[in-house]
Amino acid sequence: GAVVSQHPSRVICKSGTSVKIECRSLDFQATTMFWYRQFPKKSLMLMATSNEGSKATYEQGVEKDKFLINHASLTLSTLTVTSAHPEDSSFYICSATQQGAAYQPQHFGDGTRLSIL
Amino acid sequence: AQTVTQSQPEMSVQEAETVTLSCTYDTSESDYYLFWYKQPPSRQMILVIRQEAYKQQNATENRFSVNFQKAAKSFSLKISDSQLGDAAMYFCAYIPYSGGGADGLTFGKGTHLIIQP
Repeated sequence: GAVVSQHPSRVICKSGTSVKIECRSLDFQATTMFWYRQFPKKSLMLMATSNEGSKATYEQGVEKDKFLINHASLTLSTLTVTSAHPEDSSFYICSATQQGAAYQPQHFGDGTRLSIL
Repeated sequence: AQTVTQSQPEMSVQEAETVTLSCTYDTSESDYYLFWYKQPPSRQMILVIRQEAYKQQNATENRFSVNFQKAAKSFSLKISDSQLGDAAMYFCAYIPYSGGGADGLTFGKGTHLIIQP
């Protein structure tokens, strides 16, 4: 159980286009989803936290107009990289969890490798 | 703000030997969780082991065990009987307990573990 599906796994597109990445919890209701970014040979950095039905909370330094996050249902969150440029090329990983009084583990998707030409 | 530090960018160990990966962290919270994640070349994030800060007993999962020193804010991972499949990036991570699942993980920079056959 606790499977998170992330799609697409890889995308290559031209500079200036917008790219949408989907993160789905397949067998549980994800009240909270997280988006991380990982540069080559670097650590994962939290970009934003999204809660179902409310606006995402962005980490300091993350442009909310560049990285649009929508969490419209308990099983789906999307990250849209708008007007992507080569510096946006990176590995993006989502995770999902159920909020609760007790600890709830984060379940990770397999990531999306984004390459902007 | 919390920080997680992994001071070993790379470690190498002979197959079947034991290796210890270091991690220190800084937080003002008294209750929190610590994790070790494994990221193989496929870039999947695999949870290796979890430690609750309120538990004095060190967590163990088969060949993986931790040495949790709360006062020293140290959280090392010991891998016994190293296997070729253990080769990967290992990330130490932290999350506060108070968030109830609403907080993203804070990761260290990672340690690249090489297993010599």
